Amino acid sequence: GNSVTQMEGPVTLSEEAFLTINCTYTATGYPSLFWYVQYPGEGLQLLLKATKADDKGSNKGFEATYRKETTSFHLEKGSVQVSDSAVYFCALSDQGGGNKLTFGTGTQLKVEL
Amino acid sequence: EAEVAQSPRYKITEKSQAVAFWCDPISGHATLYWYRQILGQGPELLVQFQDESVVDDSQLPKDRFSAERLKGVDSTLKIQPAELGDSAMYLCASSLARETDTQYFGPGTRLTVL
Repeated sequence: GNSVTQMEGPVTLSEEAFLTINCTYTATGYPSLFWYVQYPGEGLQLLLKATKADDKGSNKGFEATYRKETTSFHLEKGSVQVSDSAVYFCALSDQGGGNKLTFGTGTQLKVEL
Repeated sequence: EAEVAQSPRYKITEKSQAVAFWCDPISGHATLYWYRQILGQGPELLVQFQDESVVDDSQLPKDRFSAERLKGVDSTLKIQPAELGDSAMYLCASSLARETDTQYFGPGTRLTVL
């Protein structure tokens, strides 16, 4: 079946540091890949997505590239801010299964001054 | 910007009681999803609707959980009786169509079963 594996957190960084959160996946076919962000007490917000190999999704300074050869979709940001503190979820969409989302366990990011 | 609405935001109940959650998807979205998110984990799909029809409820514990979307718009998820292990965040999401891969999530209902 489909699965998503994320690096465990919490990840603690100083403001303006470089961020990488690793995500790898296992899927049949050609899934779409997503990063969602969840702020404390809130639901999930779509951060970015990529629908095919070599696509780069980007939003609010975050980027991730769909790497089919390594089955990865790592999230990066060049300079994090305190306001980026949240839990980040990597997910894939099984297009052959009604677009059901399969999520990773989430990575908590804490950014300090 | 249109949003998915959910209520209540928080619910505390005792085990063996019945609880219900409501979701109103983005207008025009035909596909509606209910997910359960246990603390510290990613969301897991409970049930998926296409209009008023259930298309996937393989992970729904049908002995105690039920879901309906009678007019193909808003939806209700019910648990009866609630158990301690049901404490979680219940998230509703919607997408324009079943083939559309982007799902938009509501704020969730935090359920605590005592």
